[in-house]
Amino acid sequence: GAVVSQHPSWVICKSGTSVKIECRSLDFQATTMFWYRQFPKQSLMLMATSNEGSKATYEQGVEKDKFLINHASLTLSTLTVTSAHPEDSSFYICSATPNPNQPQHFGDGTRLSIL
Amino acid sequence: GENVEQHPSTLSVQEGDSAVIKCTYSDSASNYFPWYKQELGKGPQLIIDIRSNVGEKKDQRIAVTLNKTAKHFSLHITETQPEDSAVYFCAAKLGHLFFGTGTRLTVIP
Repeated sequence: GAVVSQHPSWVICKSGTSVKIECRSLDFQATTMFWYRQFPKQSLMLMATSNEGSKATYEQGVEKDKFLINHASLTLSTLTVTSAHPEDSSFYICSATPNPNQPQHFGDGTRLSIL
Repeated sequence: GENVEQHPSTLSVQEGDSAVIKCTYSDSASNYFPWYKQELGKGPQLIIDIRSNVGEKKDQRIAVTLNKTAKHFSLHITETQPEDSAVYFCAAKLGHLFFGTGTRLTVIP
């Protein structure tokens, strides 16, 4: 149980393109989903926390107009990287939890490469 | 916010030996401490967790200990196998999860 699916797993696109990443909780309803960014050989850095039906809470230094998050249902959150540039290339990982007192489960990540 | 430190950054052990990874945290209000295993190109997988009202938890070959007074917690893997090779992250929850810097474990057959 507690499966989180992330799509796509890998995307390469040209600079200036917007990219949408989907995160789905397959066998539970996720009141809260999290988006992380991970650079090679580094730890996970929280970008934002999203609660179903409300606006996402962004961490300091994360541009909300650059990284658009939508959590429209209890099983789906999306992260859109707008007008992506090479410095946005990274591994983006989502996680979800049914409620704050239960563990977070992670998707398998999306490797984004901007040329 | 919380500051989580993790050591060692790399660890090599012979198959069958034990592996220990240690983490410290800074804020005594943190109340939940999960450990994740991340394989190459994959997302982190929860392997064990412990809450602040418990001192030790074990699940087969994996155990976690927590010392709230000293603000440190450790992951113990016994009888290591090659498939245990991965990067392990500790985390402490203070509102949200704060992750350590990771330990690359290599189990040598």
